[in-house]
Amino acid sequence: AQKVTQAQTEISVVEKEDVTLDCVYETRDTTYYLFWYKQPPSGELVFLIRRNSFDEQNEISGRYSWNFQKSTSSFNFTITASQVVDSAVYFCALSEAVDNYGQNFVFGPGTRLSVLP
Amino acid sequence: DGGITQSPKYLFRKEGQNVTLSCEQNLNHDAMYWYRQDPGQGLRLIYYSQIVNDFQKGDIAEGYSVSREKKESFPLTVTSAQKNPTAFYLCASSKSSGGREQFFGPGTRLTVL
Repeated sequence: AQKVTQAQTEISVVEKEDVTLDCVYETRDTTYYLFWYKQPPSGELVFLIRRNSFDEQNEISGRYSWNFQKSTSSFNFTITASQVVDSAVYFCALSEAVDNYGQNFVFGPGTRLSVLP
Repeated sequence: DGGITQSPKYLFRKEGQNVTLSCEQNLNHDAMYWYRQDPGQGLRLIYYSQIVNDFQKGDIAEGYSVSREKKESFPLTVTSAQKNPTAFYLCASSKSSGGREQFFGPGTRLTVL
């Protein structure tokens, strides 16, 4: 069965520090998709990135970067030069590529990031 | 603007009452989902629907019911059979193909008094 682990429950950093959020996943499928979402205090989940299992290239978007390593089943998320507005709960998620797509979208438990001024 | 709307944002109900949470999307997505989130916890799937007039139970469907009469709408009813309904409820939608990202509404915070 698929599973997503985010071992860091809470992280606190001071503004301008870099921070990496870890995500480790388990799946038996060779085709799957990984996601990161941000949940600010308002509650709405904001989609950040989607990555398929055949694309191991790292991705950078502004201060955000993602490191996908199939060898270690990890999809880590780094925020460079963190800002107070980055304070949120971040969720990693996994979806296997089957027809009944709704049933197999699994979220990790989340990591609460606090960026202090 | 395309998106997902949920109403109301805050909802209070007395124990023993049924209550319906609204979810509407104008993204033309086929699939819609309901999740429950408890304080400090992750998301748990209640129900999902891949197409109009069809829906499937998720991991925690007991005490909940849904309908999908229109593509745009996927209301969730929290019945009196749900033993601990106080939680944050999130609705989401996605395109029809597998592995697509889900887009979320702003959520409804339900409190049972």
